[in-house]
Amino acid sequence: GAVVSQHPSWVICKSGTSVKIECRSLDFQATTMFWYRQFPKQSLMLMATSNEGSKATYEQGVEKDKFLINHASLTLSTLTVTSAHPEDSSFYICSALYGYTFGSGTRLTVV
Amino acid sequence: ELKVEQNPLFLSMQEGKNYTIYCNYSTTSDRLYWYRQDPGKSLESLFVLLSNGAVKQEGRLMASLDTKARLSTLHITAAVHDLSATYFCAVDMGNTGKLIFGQGTTLQVKP
Repeated sequence: GAVVSQHPSWVICKSGTSVKIECRSLDFQATTMFWYRQFPKQSLMLMATSNEGSKATYEQGVEKDKFLINHASLTLSTLTVTSAHPEDSSFYICSALYGYTFGSGTRLTVV
Repeated sequence: ELKVEQNPLFLSMQEGKNYTIYCNYSTTSDRLYWYRQDPGKSLESLFVLLSNGAVKQEGRLMASLDTKARLSTLHITAAVHDLSATYFCAVDMGNTGKLIFGQGTTLQVKP
């Protein structure tokens, strides 16, 4: 139980375009989800907290206008990287249930 | 500010040997996690430690928590090649579900 499905697994996009990443809880309701970013050979850094029905809260240094988070239902949170640039290339991972379960991750490459 | 520090950051060991990874954190927390990450993959939850003195074991891995010392350990017994991976500890920030991760320990087990 407690599975979080994340799509896509990988995406390559051109600089300046936007990319949407979905994180869906399959067998439970997630009022809160967390989004992390991991650069190559580094640890995970919390980007934001996604709250169902309300605005996301962002960690210091994370641009909320660049990383748009929508948590429109109890089972779906989305992260949209707007106007992506090569420095946004990273591994993005969502989490639910207070760290007990993570999505499979999305590797974003911006060219 | 909560900080989580792991050591060592890299560990190369022979099969059959024992070793311990240490995770120190800077402020009080009641929830500590250990994860495994294989290259290119997301996180696999290994242990959740919820109270002082907690000890959990799964196979060749055993984790413990000393909240007074703000220290957790992950002990590897009789290492095998399949344990080669990166191991992260993470601390829940104020029991909010927001996780602060250590730098990760890359374990390489040689035959």
